Order: sequence, then structure tokens, then C-alpha cells
Amino acid sequence: EPEVTQTPSHQVTQMGQEVILRCVPISNHLYFYWYRQILGQKVEFLVSFYNNEISEKSEIFDDQFSVERPDGSNFTLKIRSTKLEDSAMYFCASSGAGTEITDTQYFGPGTRLTVL
Amino acid sequence: DAKTTQPPSMDCAEGRAANLPCNHSTISGNEYVYWYRQIHSQGPQYIIHGLKNNETNEMASLIITEDRKSSTLILPHATLRDTAVYYCIVNLGGGADGLTFGKGTHLIIQP
Repeated sequence: EPEVTQTPSHQVTQMGQEVILRCVPISNHLYFYWYRQILGQKVEFLVSFYNNEISEKSEIFDDQFSVERPDGSNFTLKIRSTKLEDSAMYFCASSGAGTEITDTQYFGPGTRLTVL
Repeated sequence: DAKTTQPPSMDCAEGRAANLPCNHSTISGNEYVYWYRQIHSQGPQYIIHGLKNNETNEMASLIITEDRKSSTLILPHATLRDTAVYYCIVNLGGGADGLTFGKGTHLIIQP
């Protein structure tokens, strides 16, 4: 069964460094998303992406964040200058094969980002 | 904020049916009810969704009241592996919309 994959599973970085989190969405999906979950807190929507541009973004998704689909398979989240409070699980999701009435989002296993 | 209300926790005996309630009294006519679950810190796993009719798949059944103000997720024969946080989410089902997660229900299956 097709699934969303994410790499790395765990990323440790120093405060102020740039990190890139990678995702491979389900191959025929058209919509891509990033969410984050700070330890012990709710899953929070960051951004959705369609047709090579951002569709929606939350207040969390400020100028230090960017997303990109650099090729036909990868979807990335870049954090330019990490802060301690960026430590969280980051989940990628994809949806929209065009064959469903609604666009069910399927999530990857997540990347745990630790900022020291 | 989440548009749904769920009990924070529930227990269920292994092998019994687990019935998880959700209130969504402000749901609009074109919003769907989605259920996901999250085991430990794994990615949320899609379970089922519906608009107004009851739905069933290999994982669960979804019962939506006629006024659509509440729903119940039913796991027919709960196993220990069903221990997880279950999220009820209302969403338009459109591609661009982010899902709004609440705190969910922590379902604990007892042996």
C-alpha cells in the first residue's frame, strides 16, 4: 500500500542553523502538507501546497519557514534559523489523487527535530 | 480551535466494542467528519470519514446522528494495538484545507 515517507527520522541541530526536512508524498497525490507537534501538545497545521505554490498557511508558518517541491517526488520544509521552540515532531501529509470525492490526508511517520 | 468535543480518555476491554463519541454541534452542511488516530508519537493514521450517512470500512464504523451534531466511532473488536489517541475532525474535505486537531480521546484497551 502506498505511503508517505519522511527523512530523517531524527534530526539534531544547533540553534541558529538551517534544517531541511524531506518528504516523499504518495506518488499520484496533488496536495502536500506540513504539520508539527510539540511534545505533549496538539498536532498543528503549518502549510498546504498545490501546483507548486502555497495554498494555505497558518500563523505559525512565518518567514523562517519555506516549502519546496524540488523535483517530481520530494517535498521539503526548510527552517532557516532554528530556535529552541522549533523542537517538535514534523509530519508531512499528502492527499488528492483526484479519484475521491473528498481529499483524505495521509500522514508520514514524522521527523523528530531537536534544537540544542 | 477545534470544532469538536471529545472525552479526554476512555477504557475498553480487549475484544469488546469501543465506542468513541464526538460532538460537533456547529458543523456546517458541507463539512465532513473525519477520524484519525495517533499511536505514541507516530504520524496520525486515517480511519474513516463521512458526511451524513453511516460508514463502515475494514477498521471501523462511523455513526453520524441525523442532525449531524454528533457522531460515534466504533471499533468492533478492540485489541491492545488499538490503544491510541483518537481525533474527531470536521473539515470541508477540500485539498488545501489544513486539518484542525483537538486533544482527542486517549483510548486505553485493557487486557
